[in-house]
Amino acid sequence: GAGVSQTPSNKVTEKGKYVELRCDPISGHTALYWYRQSLGQGPEFLIYFQGTGAADDSGLPNDRFFAVRPEGSVSTLKIQRTERGDSAVYLCASSLRGLPDTQYFGPGTRLTVL
Amino acid sequence: AQTVTQSQPEMSVQEAETVTLSCTYDTSESDYYLFWYKQPPSRQMILVIRQEAYKQQNATENRFSVNFQKAAKSFSLKISDSQLGDAAMYFCAYRSASNGNKLVFGAGTILRVKS
Repeated sequence: GAGVSQTPSNKVTEKGKYVELRCDPISGHTALYWYRQSLGQGPEFLIYFQGTGAADDSGLPNDRFFAVRPEGSVSTLKIQRTERGDSAVYLCASSLRGLPDTQYFGPGTRLTVL
Repeated sequence: AQTVTQSQPEMSVQEAETVTLSCTYDTSESDYYLFWYKQPPSRQMILVIRQEAYKQQNATENRFSVNFQKAAKSFSLKISDSQLGDAAMYFCAYRSASNGNKLVFGAGTILRVKS
């Protein structure tokens, strides 16, 4: 079946602008995760959804970052007042449930803030 | 907090040869999961192999195997009969079995395969 998909593949924006990044998980997966991968580093956890609710948002760096999953499927990561330091690849993953199921990753969105 | 360390920024291997990628981790938990993910230039993270900490037997998936040393908190990946398609960034990752769902990743090792 189809894997995790993310749109757009690349996003270029200007400092101070608002952006939305979309994630479509594998059909039937109830758990969804967002990670951020800066250049030359491993991914870092941002937020985890179980169904529609954010079960763990401890990785969000500040209140400019927000994510939603209103119907328990597609999720949107929203970044307000973007800064150059937000430039990174944003990865989404989904799993059938939570623990102990394997997380399957999408191809990511590369965000560049000029 | 758990940490994962990959001390080899880059490794090279000749096609058909064997290479071992190192990973150490720090945790106070006794039950957890360990993973190796592969990330090619396409950016898509692909699960290579997974190990449950309560299992003493090392996991194996075709040409990929691990050496899991729980007491030493070491989790190395061995790739046998290396192929050109194995060239990628490899990440070691930790996940608690009881507290949270997030993966904690190391910084990665670039693997180059020479023909």
